[in-house]
Amino acid sequence: QSVLTQPPSVSGAPGQRVTMSCTGSSSNIGAGFDVHWFQQLPGTAPKLLIYGNSNRPSGVPDRFSGSKSGTSASLAITGLQAEDEADYYCQSFDISLSGYVFGTGTQVTVL
Amino acid sequence: QVQLQQSGPGLVKPSQTLLLTCAISGDSVSSNNATWIWIRQSPSRGLEWLGRTYYRSEWYNDYAVSVKGRITINPDTSKNQFSLQLNSVTPEDTAVYYCARVTYYDSSGYRFDYWGQGTLVTVSS
Repeated sequence: QSVLTQPPSVSGAPGQRVTMSCTGSSSNIGAGFDVHWFQQLPGTAPKLLIYGNSNRPSGVPDRFSGSKSGTSASLAITGLQAEDEADYYCQSFDISLSGYVFGTGTQVTVL
Repeated sequence: QVQLQQSGPGLVKPSQTLLLTCAISGDSVSSNNATWIWIRQSPSRGLEWLGRTYYRSEWYNDYAVSVKGRITINPDTSKNQFSLQLNSVTPEDTAVYYCARVTYYDSSGYRFDYWGQGTLVTVSS
């Protein structure tokens, strides 16, 4: 059902850098619509992590960064910490569906 | 500080109507710089945007294709809240339902900045 594709899981040791992709199409990311990222801890609502492709809300550490190119976007976490273990979702707008769409989600594991 | 407080039943029978409410504090449902949305999350469908309501001199609604015809989102200015009504539910509608606020910046930027706590709704007889 999800329109944007993400890898199911990524993992890394504390202090390492991990990245995850978000692949869309010409009707969403490729059409120029912004990509946003959310972090979801178990049993809680998603929390805005990155908005407008690369902007961090106040309070989000600069270890988190986002980028977008073509029909894809990426989220990077540098200096991985145990508290970063969570599910991460990308989100954009789809012109064909005339609505907001989400990614399939990536589970980050800190080894 | 904006807070969204959800309420509503956690169990709905098949073919009946799901009704959830999202009470807003710290902002107004009539804000000209916000839209108020409902999203649900289930293992089978992932995160799914359901629809929105917003005020720009008059009230507007937009709904996802997947639920159009069964969904109504209504603002209640007297209580500063908005509601989700989903008719003719089936077990496929079992999910955690979230309300959220979307605000806008610059000429076209937006962000989903505040979320409700989520409500698990199970459709079962």
